[in-house]
Amino acid sequence: GAGVSQSPSNKVTEKGKDVELRCDPISGHTALYWYRQSLGQGLEFLIYFQGNSAPDKSGLPSDRFSAERTGGSVSTLTIQRTQQEDSAVYLCASKLSGRSYEQYFGPGTRLTVT
Amino acid sequence: GQQLNQSPQSMFIQEGEDVSMNCTSSSIFNTWLWYKQDPGEGPVLLIALYKAGELTSNGRLTAQFGITRKDSFLNISASIPSDVGIYFCAGQLPTSGTYKYIFGTGTRLKVLA
Repeated sequence: GAGVSQSPSNKVTEKGKDVELRCDPISGHTALYWYRQSLGQGLEFLIYFQGNSAPDKSGLPSDRFSAERTGGSVSTLTIQRTQQEDSAVYLCASKLSGRSYEQYFGPGTRLTVT
Repeated sequence: GQQLNQSPQSMFIQEGEDVSMNCTSSSIFNTWLWYKQDPGEGPVLLIALYKAGELTSNGRLTAQFGITRKDSFLNISASIPSDVGIYFCAGQLPTSGTYKYIFGTGTRLKVLA
């Protein structure tokens, strides 16, 4: 079956530009995460969506970062006025429900800000 | 953000050798997860541990949830070339509900044939 997909797989942008990263979770999964993985680092939690509940945005590093999840499915992570320190791999994960433990990760979007 | 201490950072081993890596924290965790990440892919769950002292195996992999609830280890026996990758631990804090995990910085494993 289809796993979590993310697009684009790679994105190179100039400093100051806005970018949108897309995540298509596994069909039927109600929970969705965004993580950031910097070179040589672990996964940094950014935001969590669960069903119709208010998202947990506590991991967003600044107000330049925002995310939406429309219709309980596709999610978009937007970074405004990108900075070089935003360069990283952005990973999306989904899981069946808020009570399940296993997260299924997408392949990530590698963002490079020049 | 908060991260777990994972060691070693990297390992070069000969095919057939056993591997051991661990994660430690100053905080108590409710759940420990171990993931493997191949190049260009997202992490894949290997083993999940739910209670202190639990020892769980998945093929050549064995992981344990430390009795203090502040550490976990992962062992790989008789390593093979496809074991190459980055291994992450992840812990769930008691106060975080059932959804938020803190990840280790990863152990990069390279297997020499």
